[in-house]
Amino acid sequence: EDQVTQSPEALRLQEGESSSLNCSYTVSGLRGLFWYRQDPGKGPEFLFTLYSAGEEKEKERLKATLTKKESFLHITAPKPEDSATYLCAVSNNAGNMLTFGGGTRLMVKP
Amino acid sequence: DAGITQSPRHKVTETGTPVTLRCHQTENHRYMYWYRQDPGHGLRLIHYSYGVKDTDKGEVSDGYSVSRSKTEDFLLTLESATSSQTSVYFCAIREGQGYGPLHFGNGTRLTVT
Repeated sequence: EDQVTQSPEALRLQEGESSSLNCSYTVSGLRGLFWYRQDPGKGPEFLFTLYSAGEEKEKERLKATLTKKESFLHITAPKPEDSATYLCAVSNNAGNMLTFGGGTRLMVKP
Repeated sequence: DAGITQSPRHKVTETGTPVTLRCHQTENHRYMYWYRQDPGHGLRLIHYSYGVKDTDKGEVSDGYSVSRSKTEDFLLTLESATSSQTSVYFCAIREGQGYGPLHFGNGTRLTVT
């Protein structure tokens, strides 16, 4: 059974204070690791897909990295508008569905 | 915008009543999904569809049924709603035929009293 664990559950940062979110996973044949952002009252919004260990993707202040056991979402000099819940998910060899972690709620104070 | 519309956006119903949630997509995607999201459990897959009349169960399918008679519509039915089915329900589509990401609608908040 695929499992995804995200840490920390919640993270408070000051504006400009860089940090990282962790996503640890066990999966029967990783086909893709996905990061999403979710704002209150909205559906998850797709950010990145990572397919193999060593891969990195960047978008504005966000950078996602992948190893064989975990992924990190690095947030550089965050702004209050980066406040959201960040979700991680994996797809296995069957590839038909995503298994999600519980998310990290990020709060960035001005 | 993935062209996904969920209806209704909010619903309150009583225990024991049937409830149907609708997901409509405008871009002819083959794969469609229903997830529920609950505090402490994250997003969990209920059912998914890989084509018209082709569906399969997910992790938490008990008490739910689905139907897909047209490519664009995927219906989720609670035959006899229970309080444990109070949740936020999200529909999603998968882009492409391979291992691409899911794109989600904005959800239906269901309360069973």
